[in-house]
Amino acid sequence: DAGVTQSPTHLIKTRGQQVTLRCSPISGHKSVSWYQQVLGQGPQFIFQYYEKEERGRGNFPDRFSARQFPNYSSELNVNALLLGDSALYLCASSLNRKHGYTFGSGTRLTVV
Amino acid sequence: KNEVEQSPQNLTAQEGEFITINCSYSVGISALHWLQQHPGGGIVSLFMLSSGKKKHGRLIATINIQEKHSSLHITASHPRDSAVYICAVEGTASKLTFGTGTRLQVTL
Repeated sequence: DAGVTQSPTHLIKTRGQQVTLRCSPISGHKSVSWYQQVLGQGPQFIFQYYEKEERGRGNFPDRFSARQFPNYSSELNVNALLLGDSALYLCASSLNRKHGYTFGSGTRLTVV
Repeated sequence: KNEVEQSPQNLTAQEGEFITINCSYSVGISALHWLQQHPGGGIVSLFMLSSGKKKHGRLIATINIQEKHSSLHITASHPRDSAVYICAVEGTASKLTFGTGTRLQVTL
């Protein structure tokens, strides 16, 4: 069974551009969470989706948005990119709270 | 003050040594997670704890809910254990709050 897959693995964008990151959860997992990890720091929670509904949002500006599709895959969108958005973006899926989380390998976004 | 504090930040050990990484948190939690992150970024879940102690191979994780403290122990450390170890807590909402990680280097 495939793990959590994220695409693309690496991405370079220019300030002001928009970016879409994609995540496919493990089959059967209905919950997807997004995290931002800036170099040298721990990941920070951005969003959680469950059954296509937003269940939680971290302290990120409105430039960040996300959605979950009927097949439980998810997209994270970031508009008007800033240099400070350069980070590793991690997606995690979960079957339920008793089983913990499985993380993808992340998308490394560089904003120049 | 961060909600999740880890110590030490950096740790160097010789192969075979017993290693302890500590995590303290200041909020109520439903579970605590220990995670391993290798260079390149991928995160692997090691343990999910809500009480007591868990063991998997050479890894042991303990938690004291009253003292809001958890430890990760590695017995007979090996160079392949070199990684960043991250403690994360989960509250009533299903979001994880992470510590900044402990960078472990195990040398021959």
